Amino acid sequence: QVQLQQSGPGLVKPSQTLSLTCAISGDSVSSNSAAWNWIRQSPSRGLEWLGRTYYRSTWYNDYALSVKSRITIRPDTSKNQFSLQLNSVTPEDTAVYYCVRKPHRGSAVHGFDIWGQGTVVTVSS
Amino acid sequence: DIVMTQTPLSSPVTLGQPASISCRSSQSLVHSDGNTYLSWLQQRPGQPPRLLIYKISNRLSGVPDRFSGSGAGTDFTLKISRVEAEDVGVYYCTQATQFPYTFGQGTKLEIK
Repeated sequence: QVQLQQSGPGLVKPSQTLSLTCAISGDSVSSNSAAWNWIRQSPSRGLEWLGRTYYRSTWYNDYALSVKSRITIRPDTSKNQFSLQLNSVTPEDTAVYYCVRKPHRGSAVHGFDIWGQGTVVTVSS
Repeated sequence: DIVMTQTPLSSPVTLGQPASISCRSSQSLVHSDGNTYLSWLQQRPGQPPRLLIYKISNRLSGVPDRFSGSGAGTDFTLKISRVEAEDVGVYYCTQATQFPYTFGQGTKLEIK
């Protein structure tokens, strides 16, 4: 079955870069039928979609406006994984970060169907 | 952005009794392709969210049939016909009709 395994540091200093990786098993980051998302969850903001990467003959990205100037999501086809980089973090970026698969609209199942285990990231000096 | 509003925010329920959660969107969730991309997530304590229902009323494989979804346009409902202890958690509606994808604030289901 499809699984997502997250890795990355749980503590980041203010103004630095948050970096997380999500390793995919049972599916491919280059799949034509899914997109690979990052979503975060905090008590103050609830669940917040941050962005996605997906492959449809070429690579595409979409980002939430709230983080667009600071975020990069990249696929790594050699390792079948994708990553999140969030620059210039502040304490407001403290949250649980999830990598999540969403099948394409034309798929039999639609919605955020596979979630990583979550990474608690604290922004603090 | 489409705002998703859930009611109630907390729902104490007796085991074996039904439960109902409402979700209202600030705009119609009908996509130009004719589908409505409204889904429901369950988050048990200490776990990531889990997809229960997609496109209003389609249960994911393995989801018990006591869970059902209904609605159209801007008004949607998740119903649990007979609440079991394992249903305790927070339930979220979410829309994928329009960017950015957005979520309701969550409804906490607890046992009386």
